[in-house]
Amino acid sequence: TQLLEQSPQFLSIQEGENLTVYCNSSSVFSSLQWYRQEPGEGPVLLVTVVTGGEVKKLKRLTFQFGDARKDSSLHITAAQPGDTGLYLCAENNDMRFGAGTRLTVKP
Amino acid sequence: GAVVSQHPSWVICKSGTSVKIECRSLDFQATTMFWYRQFPKQSLMLMATSNEGSKATYEQGVEKDKFLINHASLTLSTLTVTSAHPEDSSFYICSARDPTSGANVLTFGAGSRLTVL
Repeated sequence: TQLLEQSPQFLSIQEGENLTVYCNSSSVFSSLQWYRQEPGEGPVLLVTVVTGGEVKKLKRLTFQFGDARKDSSLHITAAQPGDTGLYLCAENNDMRFGAGTRLTVKP
Repeated sequence: GAVVSQHPSWVICKSGTSVKIECRSLDFQATTMFWYRQFPKQSLMLMATSNEGSKATYEQGVEKDKFLINHASLTLSTLTVTSAHPEDSSFYICSARDPTSGANVLTFGAGSRLTVL
């Protein structure tokens, strides 16, 4: 079973700050997905990365997939309170998630 | 896009009773659905894989007699928490993949919050 580690576990920042969260695997990802979950709701897909070294941008969010496809990062520029939530990564063919990073952006 | 609906959104029950949660794929057929459990401030933990027309596959440590899963049609899976106890109080979420989307994306329901008194 692939082990997913996410860091940091908790992150609290002020509005306007930048941040990066990480997802690391014990084995190679076939592809990786990032989700965001808001309180009381189900997770929503943000992005799927497939190719080693791939970079995808979604407005203020930048996703990187490591060259070796064992790690990924999510960078948020100028964070806003609306970015608050639990950020989860998951291997595309496995239904299991990492422990997540719980982000709080204070106004 | 694909939509997964859960019902009820929240339920309160007395200890010892059973509670059924429904998960429906609204605009696609899902031969497989997934049930998760989430405690406060924690991540989603996969409980079981629900297979249409056959038995569910449970994750290690999940009691199959406690959490009964039925996937009787291509659009409906149900999770029944039998003889519920306060420690079963949790947020239960289901998900499914639309096999026609080509994107291999999991679509999640909005979750069902169970409180056992």
